[in-house]
Formats: sequence, structure tokens, C-alpha cells
Amino acid sequence: AQTVTQSQPEMSVQEAETVTLSCTYDTSESDYYLFWYKQPPSRQMILVIRQEAYKQQNATENRFSVNFQKAAKSFSLKISDSQLGDAAMYFCAYRSGRDTGNQFYFGTGTSLTVIP
Amino acid sequence: DTEVTQTPKHLVMGMTNKKSLKCEQHMGHRAMYWYKQKAKKPPELMFVYSYEKLSINESVPSRFSPECPNSSLLNLHLHALQPEDSALYLCASSQPATTFEVSSYEQYFGPGTRLTVT
Repeated sequence: AQTVTQSQPEMSVQEAETVTLSCTYDTSESDYYLFWYKQPPSRQMILVIRQEAYKQQNATENRFSVNFQKAAKSFSLKISDSQLGDAAMYFCAYRSGRDTGNQFYFGTGTSLTVIP
Repeated sequence: DTEVTQTPKHLVMGMTNKKSLKCEQHMGHRAMYWYKQKAKKPPELMFVYSYEKLSINESVPSRFSPECPNSSLLNLHLHALQPEDSALYLCASSQPATTFEVSSYEQYFGPGTRLTVT
């Protein structure tokens, strides 16, 4: 099984500042996909951003961007201009491009607090 | 439509009850999932259905019984649960790995059913 590690159980950021959440993963595959999911206190899990391993360009979605370092097996999430609504649990996830079992592997999560 | 719906939103049941959780999606996804989640923890995989067939059972106790009647519906039948089974139960769907199209490999989650076993 693949492993996904989020080493920061909790993080905090001042409103309007930038914060980076860390994620590393372990795999021997070359074809895979990485995701950041957000789960606010209301508990609906939503996709923030995704990255295909075959793409060298880092994905961006508005204020959210990733730093994908394939050789280092690192996939960090940068949130710019943090807003109160960004407060949530953030989960990093991995999916094999070849896994017929269709399994997603999640990290343990980072709880982000946004300070007004 | 990128919505996964789940009913009921909340469920309280005794240890001798039988109940069912329901999940529905109309995105044409052929992989559907049940997860159990405790507060501040990642979702814990229970079952995966691929093309309406059970492909993964993560050694879940038999008091949880999944069912996939068709490609849009997923049920989780509950019987003789224990208090430690109280949790948020999430349903999710995705395209199977063998049918990837551009931008279609992510997983979509429902809002969950908050289950309390008394």
C-alpha cells in the first residue's frame, strides 16, 4: 500500500497571509495522481486541487497552488491571502494511475486555523 | 452535476436495530466507496465497488453489509452495531482507473451520515 504523510497536525495563519501545508508520499510507481481535499467544520469533503504526476507544471487554482517535487516525493499546498473560510482540515491524497482497485490513500490531515 | 447525495443526514440507532444508509450519484462514475470517519481523522476505507462489483473489503465486520443495486446507487446495511461504530459515514464516487478521461480521476464525496449507536 502507498503511504501519505502529513507531518503538521495543526497549523495557523493570520488572515491575508500565506501558509504552506506539507505532504510527502511513498511510491514506486511513475503514473499517479495527487490531491488536496478540504473538510470544513460542516464536514463536507471537497477537492481543492489536483496534480498529475506526468505534468511538470505545478497546479494552481486561484489562491491555492502546489509545489510538486516528484523526485523528492513531495506535494505541498500553498494558500495565499488566507481567508476565514479556509479554516478546515486539509487532507493530502494519492491515487495510482494503474490501480484496478481504485483505492485512494489519505494522509492524517492538517488542521488549519485562520486568525482574524 | 458533481453531486453525491446521502440519506439520512443523521441516524441514531440502538444496538439491536437494523438500518440502511443510502448514497446516490449521477455523474456516471463506476467506482463507489464507503468510508468511516472519526473527528479530526482521515476517512477510513471500508468498501469499494467497481462496475457494481465489490472489489475491496477492508476486513470490515459483518454487521456492515454493502450493496450496489445499480451504477448510481450504493447502500450500507447496518445490523447489531456497537457504540464504537458511531462515526461519520462518507460515500464517494470516482471514475475507475481503467477509464480515465481528462480531469476525471478525482473522487467526489457526499456530505455524510452522522451515525450514533446507543
